[in-house]
Amino acid sequence: GAGVSQSPSNKVTEKGKDVELRCDPISGHTALYWYRQSLGQGLEFLIYFQGNSAPDKSGLPSDRFSAERTGGSVSTLTIQRTQQEDSAVYLCASSRGQGNEQFFGPGTRLTVL
Amino acid sequence: GIQVEQSPPDLILQEGANSTLRCNFSDSVNNLQWFHQNPWGQLINLFYIPSGTKQNGRLSATTVATERYSLLYISSSQTTDSGVYFCAVYTGGFKTIFGAGTRLFVKA
Repeated sequence: GAGVSQSPSNKVTEKGKDVELRCDPISGHTALYWYRQSLGQGLEFLIYFQGNSAPDKSGLPSDRFSAERTGGSVSTLTIQRTQQEDSAVYLCASSRGQGNEQFFGPGTRLTVL
Repeated sequence: GIQVEQSPPDLILQEGANSTLRCNFSDSVNNLQWFHQNPWGQLINLFYIPSGTKQNGRLSATTVATERYSLLYISSSQTTDSGVYFCAVYTGGFKTIFGAGTRLFVKA
């Protein structure tokens, strides 16, 4: 596709369940980023991938959060044992390389009941 | 870590007015981007501007890297300009840091 795509667009889950969020970057973009945006707030950086590797995972809020990227393309962000404070919009971006212009997907709105 | 501050936090304009949004950062940056988040939540790229001046229609931006600030100018504002404007900086590490944003409302 022409832009970054994310799925699902909305996810409602019950506290304690696991969720998987998917990001499909722009073709040819080697860098991929995950952010979280709580209601009315700015963007919180979560993790960055260069190719399939994530050199710094310190932005992940807790050990319930993990992310992977395979084949240098699609990435999944997994949240285990979801909590109500995980409710937010999760945004993905990609760029040609580290430090280049980032392009964002439409986000996944996660609601934990 | 680097601090990114945007001002003003909120801005209300009458349609047709001009405005200047500011982004200050506390350390050297490798690049800086301005985004517009529309009312539907989509982040739209405005400028990729680590230094210098760029213009795109009614919008222009200037980054003075040596003085650690960037300005976004909106001229002849329209109601469709409403939303939140973010600046984001990359310092060469693994993180991109966003400011808290300026929330703009343009009245018809």
